[in-house]
Amino acid sequence: AQTVTQSQPEMSVQEAETVTLSCTYDTSESDYYLFWYKQPPSRQMILVIRQEAYKQQNATENRFSVNFQKAAKSFSLKISDSQLGDAAMYFCAYRSLNTGNQFYFGTGTSLTVIP
Amino acid sequence: KAGVTQTPRYLIKTRGQQVTLSCSPISGHRSVSWYQQTPGQGLQFLFEYFSETQRNKGNFPGRFSGRQFSNSRSEMNVSTLELGDSALYLCASSLDGVLRAFFGQGTRLTVV
Repeated sequence: AQTVTQSQPEMSVQEAETVTLSCTYDTSESDYYLFWYKQPPSRQMILVIRQEAYKQQNATENRFSVNFQKAAKSFSLKISDSQLGDAAMYFCAYRSLNTGNQFYFGTGTSLTVIP
Repeated sequence: KAGVTQTPRYLIKTRGQQVTLSCSPISGHRSVSWYQQTPGQGLQFLFEYFSETQRNKGNFPGRFSGRQFSNSRSEMNVSTLELGDSALYLCASSLDGVLRAFFGQGTRLTVV
């Protein structure tokens, strides 16, 4: 089964600074998607960014970008110009295209933004 | 466009009872997946329904079941509740189960 590991239970960043959240995964598949989801206190999971494994180019969405290293099975999230509204729990997730469409989630990283 | 709606938002039940949770996906979405979120186990996949058929199932006991109606609304049922079933239950809808998934705000179930 696929596993997703987030080794940083908690992170903090000064407002306007940059922070990087780490994620590694284990899989024997070649086709899959990787995601970062944000879960604020409202509990609703919100998609931050998505990366298709077949794409070599790293995905970017405004202030959010990823560093996808397929060979190393690493998928980190960089948040630039951090804002107070970025404070939330961040989950890294893996989604297979071949063995069902379920998400495999990491344990999450709680991000605090310091004013 | 309305988002994913889960009802109720909060629920308190007694051990041994059963409970039904509801999820209304985004209009046009045919795939509905359910996840259980607990502090100890994190987010775990329960099952996925697509066009009224269960397409995938996670590693949960038979007390957890679900169904999907012709309008794509889905219900999840847990029978003979145990204290360990206390969790946030999240529903996700997507067009075909592969593309971007949209999550509801969840139902917080407390078993006492």
